[in-house]
Amino acid sequence: DTGVSQDPRHKITKRGQNVTFRCDPISEHNRLYWYRQTLGQGPEFLTYFQNEAQLEKSRLLSDRFSAERPKGSFSTLEIQRTEQGDSAMYLCASSWNPASGPYEQYFGPGTRLTVT
Amino acid sequence: AQKVTQAQTEISVVEKEDVTLDCVYETRDTTYYLFWYKQPPSGELVFLIRRNSFDEQNEISGRYSWNFQKSTSSFNFTITASQVVDSAVYFCALSWNNQGGKLIFGQGTELSVKP
Repeated sequence: DTGVSQDPRHKITKRGQNVTFRCDPISEHNRLYWYRQTLGQGPEFLTYFQNEAQLEKSRLLSDRFSAERPKGSFSTLEIQRTEQGDSAMYLCASSWNPASGPYEQYFGPGTRLTVT
Repeated sequence: AQKVTQAQTEISVVEKEDVTLDCVYETRDTTYYLFWYKQPPSGELVFLIRRNSFDEQNEISGRYSWNFQKSTSSFNFTITASQVVDSAVYFCALSWNNQGGKLIFGQGTELSVKP
């Protein structure tokens, strides 16, 4: 049974460049979440998908950020025109959500982004 | 607004000591869910426990135990006979039905267990 995987694990980019991260959730999970974590802080919610539909985006998610989950499987998070403030760990999580309420989310190892 | 507060930023104990990590939450919803996650130095968040707001029964799992008290809006986590491998950052989190299950995390408590 494989867990949530993320690629790449580390990304160093220059300010102004675009970057794209990939997340592969646990296969039977219908919900997929993206969070951002900066040093010394708890993860902050960015967006989530139920199957292929993006149902909520945080106000933290500026227009430079876009996420997709084609066919309800893997997801990508793209950041355009990166800024130094985008440097953080980007975490992906997935869960199975029946009508009875949210289940626990399982997290991937994260992608650490450094913008120079 | 929903909020989770972990007032203890860092805790240091000696191996075999018991330690309690505090978590206080705020929510107006009557149905909500509380979680604890562990983030070891490797960085990957590990799920520990999920509790529903309508189930105040305390839970024990090996050396871990959780005390859920709605009257004080607290969901505290106790590690008995701590071990060096327990060293990690521990996060308490809150979710509720109307927001797609997204988690609101506390700031985390960094636990250091010294031999």
